[in-house]
Amino acid sequence: AQSVTQLDSQVPVFEEAPVELRCNYSSSVSVYLFWYVQYPNQGLQLLLKYLSGSTLVKGINGFEAEFNKSQTSFHLRKPSVHISDTAEYFCAVSDRRSNFGNEKLTFGTGTRLTIIP
Amino acid sequence: DGGITQSPKYLFRKEGQNVTLSCEQNLNHDAMYWYRQDPGQGLRLIYYSQIVNDFQKGDIAEGYSVSREKKESFPLTVTSAQKNPTAFYLCASYGGLNYGYTFGSGTRLTVV
Repeated sequence: AQSVTQLDSQVPVFEEAPVELRCNYSSSVSVYLFWYVQYPNQGLQLLLKYLSGSTLVKGINGFEAEFNKSQTSFHLRKPSVHISDTAEYFCAVSDRRSNFGNEKLTFGTGTRLTIIP
Repeated sequence: DGGITQSPKYLFRKEGQNVTLSCEQNLNHDAMYWYRQDPGQGLRLIYYSQIVNDFQKGDIAEGYSVSREKKESFPLTVTSAQKNPTAFYLCASYGGLNYGYTFGSGTRLTVV
């Protein structure tokens, strides 16, 4: 079984400042890692994912994340935020094993990012 | 365009009534999922289905039921046994590792 911890439930940031949203995971097996963004009353949109290869992953809207296996972390960063980045952000993991039924996502509790003008 | 359609967007139910949420996809994905979202709790898995006529309970299946008679459709019924059904419900499908997951835009269910 896997679990995902997003310690910060809310993060206020001034516009054009950098931001880091933290994500730590726990799993007895290797995992794939994801960040999703959710705007009010909408579904989830994929920001980026780590499947293999380079531990620094770049996504849409200028976001990037770094996979750190030793710290079991996958923190999300953006060097300069914009008002339009105001949303809720979810970190998620899925099992690397290809067995039937292992594809389901386990989510963290989310971080609400508020950009202050 | 391919995607997932959830309907209705908003749904009101009286206590003691069953209600069915619709989820349709035209992505030709085998796997489909239902998640429940509550403030501060993230998304929790209710049911999932890897193939037609087969589905598995997720972490919070009590008070819910599903069917998967067609590949395109995965409706969720919230029964009167669900003690606290007011929530935002999200349907998703999975198209393999490279394609990933696609989410619908959700149904907000309110018990009145």
